Amino acid sequence: DADVTQTPRNRITKTGKRIMLECSQTKGHDRMYWYRQDPGLGLRLIYYSFDVKDINKGEISDGYSVSRQAQAKFSLSLESAIPNQTALYFCATSDQTSGTSGYTFGSGTRLTVV
Amino acid sequence: QKEVEQNSGPLSVPEGAIASLNCTYSDRGSQSFFWYRQYSGKSPELIMFIYSNGDKEDGRFTAQLNKASQYVSLLIRDSQPSDSATYLCAVDQTGANNLFFGTGTRLTVIP
Repeated sequence: DADVTQTPRNRITKTGKRIMLECSQTKGHDRMYWYRQDPGLGLRLIYYSFDVKDINKGEISDGYSVSRQAQAKFSLSLESAIPNQTALYFCATSDQTSGTSGYTFGSGTRLTVV
Repeated sequence: QKEVEQNSGPLSVPEGAIASLNCTYSDRGSQSFFWYRQYSGKSPELIMFIYSNGDKEDGRFTAQLNKASQYVSLLIRDSQPSDSATYLCAVDQTGANNLFFGTGTRLTVIP
C-alpha cells in the first residue's frame, strides 16, 4: 500500500457542486500539505497543517477549505467548484525531524470542473 | 516576481550526454534546495537536496549551489531515455516551513 493515499484518483464534477478530496498517510508524519498543479504554473501551495490543531493558508487558499481530522488524515474541500479549479491536486507529508527535506507526495487527484 | 524560476524547456539531449538544468531563486535567506523528478501524470519524487554551497553528487546526479548568485543547478551525466521527465526545483524559503516550486523544466533524452 502507498504511504500517502489520495482519493479519488479522478473526479469530474459540475460547477457549483461541493467536493472533497481526501488524503491519508501511514508515514507517521506530523506535517501535511495540499498543492495544486497547473500546466505552466508549477505546484502551488493551498493549505498546510503541522498538527491536528494547526491549519495555515498557502498562497492560493481562496475557494478552498481543509480539515485535519487526525494526524493521518487531511481533507481538501471545494465548497462551490468552478472551472478554473480544474487541476491536478497533490497531498504531501513531512515530519518535524526532516522538515521539508522529507516531502512524500501522494499519487494525485485529477479534478475536472465542467 | 516569482520566487523560483526555471526555464520551461523543452531541453533535448542525446543519450549519454550531460543534461544541465538551472534554477534561480529570489529569497536570499533560503537555506534548503531540492530537485524533484516528475514523470507525466505522476507525482514528484525527490532526487537530490542540497544545503551548502558547492557540489553534491549522488550517482549520475550532481546538484550545484551558489548562494551568492542565488542559483542552483542539476547535472545528469550519461543521460538515459528513462531520465526523460519534468524536473522541478524547490526552495525552502526563510521562515516559510514549506516548499516553493519552480514551474519545471521538461527534459527529453533522445536515444
